Amino acid sequence: QKEVEQDPGPLSVPEGAIVSLNCTYSNSAFQYFMWYRQYSRKGPELLMYTYSSGNKEDGRFTAQVDKSSKYISLFIRDSQPSDSATYLCAMSLDTGRRALTFGSGTRLQVQP
Amino acid sequence: DVKVTQSSRYLVKRTGEKVFLECVQDMDHENMFWYRQDPGLGLRLIYFSYDVKMKEKGDIPEGYSVSREKKERFSLILESASTNQTSMYLCASSPGEAGGSNTQYFGPGTRLTVL
Repeated sequence: QKEVEQDPGPLSVPEGAIVSLNCTYSNSAFQYFMWYRQYSRKGPELLMYTYSSGNKEDGRFTAQVDKSSKYISLFIRDSQPSDSATYLCAMSLDTGRRALTFGSGTRLQVQP
Repeated sequence: DVKVTQSSRYLVKRTGEKVFLECVQDMDHENMFWYRQDPGLGLRLIYFSYDVKMKEKGDIPEGYSVSREKKERFSLILESASTNQTSMYLCASSPGEAGGSNTQYFGPGTRLTVL
C-alpha cells in the first residue's frame, strides 16, 4: 500500500464547475500538507500548504485537511481551462527527514 | 521568487554512458533534492542533501550518485546509464529552518532518454 493515495483521473469538468481533488494517507505523523500544480512538461509549482488540520483559502482555491480521517482535499471554484493540469498532493513530517511524500497526481481537464 | 534551474530540458544518452544532471538554486536554500517522475508512480526521491558535502539516500538511490560541493549546486550522476533510467528528473530546493513547512520549489525538469 502506498503511503499517499491519489486518484489518477483524468477528471474532466466544464468551465465554471467546482472541482474537488483528494488524497488519503496512512502515516498519522504527517503534519504539513501541500498541493502542487504541474503543467505538461513543466516542474511542479506550489499552490498551497497547510499545517495540521483545518481549512485554508487563497482566491479560487481552498485546501482542507482532516487528520482524523487522514484525508486532504483541494477545491477549485469557478474552474478555468487554464486550471487544466496535474495536481499533486504532498506531505511531510514535523521533524526529521525534510523530504516530501507525494501522491501520484490527478490529471484535471477543464473543458471550455 | 525562488528560481531553480536545471542544465538541460532534454537529454538523449546511450546505455553505459556516464550522465551528469546539474541543478542550481538562487535562494540560499539549505536542502536540495533529486526526484524522478514516471507515469503512474508519481515523484520518487532519489537523493537529498541538507548541507554542502552532505547527502542522504532517498527511496530509490540504486544506480545514482550525487555531489554537492557548493550550497547552490546539486548534481545527479548516473554512473552507467541504463534504459530503465529513462525518466523525467526533477530537482527541488527548500529552506532549512527548523519547524518549517519543508515546502519545496522545483526546477523545470530534465527529460532523459537512454537508448
